[in-house]
Amino acid sequence: ELKVEQNPLFLSMQEGKNYTIYCNYSTTSDRLYWYRQDPGKSLESLFVLLSNGAVKQEGRLMASLDTKARLSTLHITAAVHDLSATYFCAAHNAGNMLTFGGGTRLMVKP
Amino acid sequence: DAGVIQSPRHEVTEMGQEVTLRCKPISGHDYLFWYRQTMMRGLELLIYFNNNVPIDDSGMPEDRFSAKMPNASFSTLKIQPSEPRDSAVYFCASSLATGFQPQHFGDGTRLSIL
Repeated sequence: ELKVEQNPLFLSMQEGKNYTIYCNYSTTSDRLYWYRQDPGKSLESLFVLLSNGAVKQEGRLMASLDTKARLSTLHITAAVHDLSATYFCAAHNAGNMLTFGGGTRLMVKP
Repeated sequence: DAGVIQSPRHEVTEMGQEVTLRCKPISGHDYLFWYRQTMMRGLELLIYFNNNVPIDDSGMPEDRFSAKMPNASFSTLKIQPSEPRDSAVYFCASSLATGFQPQHFGDGTRLSIL
């Protein structure tokens, strides 16, 4: 059974700082997704990572995938308040299913 | 381009009542997923369909839950009878079958069972 774990679960950081969210998954998966969820809102797709060594960047967020280590990271550079949200990773499972991690709640303080 | 549309956005009802949640996927998408999100259990997949056919319903908590997809543009998730522990946000998502596309989520239905 595929399990996905994220850490930390909660992250409070100052504006301008850098930090990394980690996503570990338990069995082989050929693709990894990152989503963002604002409070009371839907999940918004951020990145799709399809191969070992894949790196995607959008603004202050950069995601990478190491399939050998079964690890994906979401790196935040020079955080700003607008990045405050909950971030989920999800690993592809059998069929077209995704297994989601527990989420990392990010709070960026001015 | 319309996204995944869910209704109602909020539902408050008493224990024992029947609840029906509705979802219209993005036109042309082959897959439809129903999720439940709670603080305690996070985001759980309940059931998913491919071309209107249920593929995996192993996440459906018990027989009180049922889901249908009578055509490519409509799906329902029904709870009968409802219980307070069913209170959660229920999301519907859809995706294409090819190209490793992400799942697109609706705005969710916030369900409260009193």
